[in-house]
Amino acid sequence: NAGVTQTPKFQVLKTGQSMTLQCAQDMNHEYMSWYRQDPGMGLRLIHYSVGAGITDQGEVPNGYNVSRSTTEDFPLRLLSAAPSQTSVYFCASRHTPTSANDEQYFGPGTRLTVT
Amino acid sequence: AQKVTQAQTEISVVEKEDVTLDCVYETRDTTYYLFWYKQPPSGELVFLIRRNSFDEQNEISGRYSWNFQKSTSSFNFTITASQVVDSAVYFCALSESMNTGFQKLVFGTGTRLLVSP
Repeated sequence: NAGVTQTPKFQVLKTGQSMTLQCAQDMNHEYMSWYRQDPGMGLRLIHYSVGAGITDQGEVPNGYNVSRSTTEDFPLRLLSAAPSQTSVYFCASRHTPTSANDEQYFGPGTRLTVT
Repeated sequence: AQKVTQAQTEISVVEKEDVTLDCVYETRDTTYYLFWYKQPPSGELVFLIRRNSFDEQNEISGRYSWNFQKSTSSFNFTITASQVVDSAVYFCALSESMNTGFQKLVFGTGTRLLVSP
C-alpha cells in the first residue's frame, strides 16, 4: 500500500492563479479530509468527505473547492489563489467517518507559496 | 466547540533531560479520543498514540509515556532521557462529533521541542 499520496510537494503560485492539489489513498477509506497548517495555528480542517459524491465544509473552507468522484481521490482546488493561502496542506484518510477510533493517515504534505 | 490548548510554544532541553509536553482539552462529547502526533523537521506527521476517553490508564512506550487525567481534562506527554532525534513539533488532537454525526480531529497549536546535545 502506498498509503496517502499528495502531489505536488512544493508549488509557487502568483495571486489569482488556480491550481489543484492532488490527494489519493489506496486503503479504500471512506473518510478523507484536507487540513492546512500555519505557524502558531496548528492544523485546521478545510473540507472533508465521507464517501464518493459526499463532501462538506470544515473550519476554513473559503477559497477552496473539493469533489470526490471516486473513493480513492480527493482533490483540493484553489480557484483564485491569494497570499493568505500560503500554507502547508495535508490530506488525511480514515476508514470510518463516524469514529475516530480508526487511525487517521496523513499524506506527506504540499508546501504552497502564493506571491 | 471542542478546543485543545498546548500552552507551551517551545521547549528547549539538553539531551538526557526528561521533558513533559502539556495538553489540555475541552469537549462536550461523552466519548472521545485523544491523540499525539510528531512532526519532525522533514515535515510529515507521525502518529504516536490514540487514547479512548474511557481508558484512563497511563501508557508507556519505550522512552515515551502519556498521562491522561479526565478530572483535569489533560493528556500530557513525557519523554524520558530525551535525545536529539526527539526534536520536532508535537501536536495534541481531540476528536469532535460534528452535527452530521461524523467525527473530525481538532488540533492544538503544537509545541516545538528542541533537544540540544
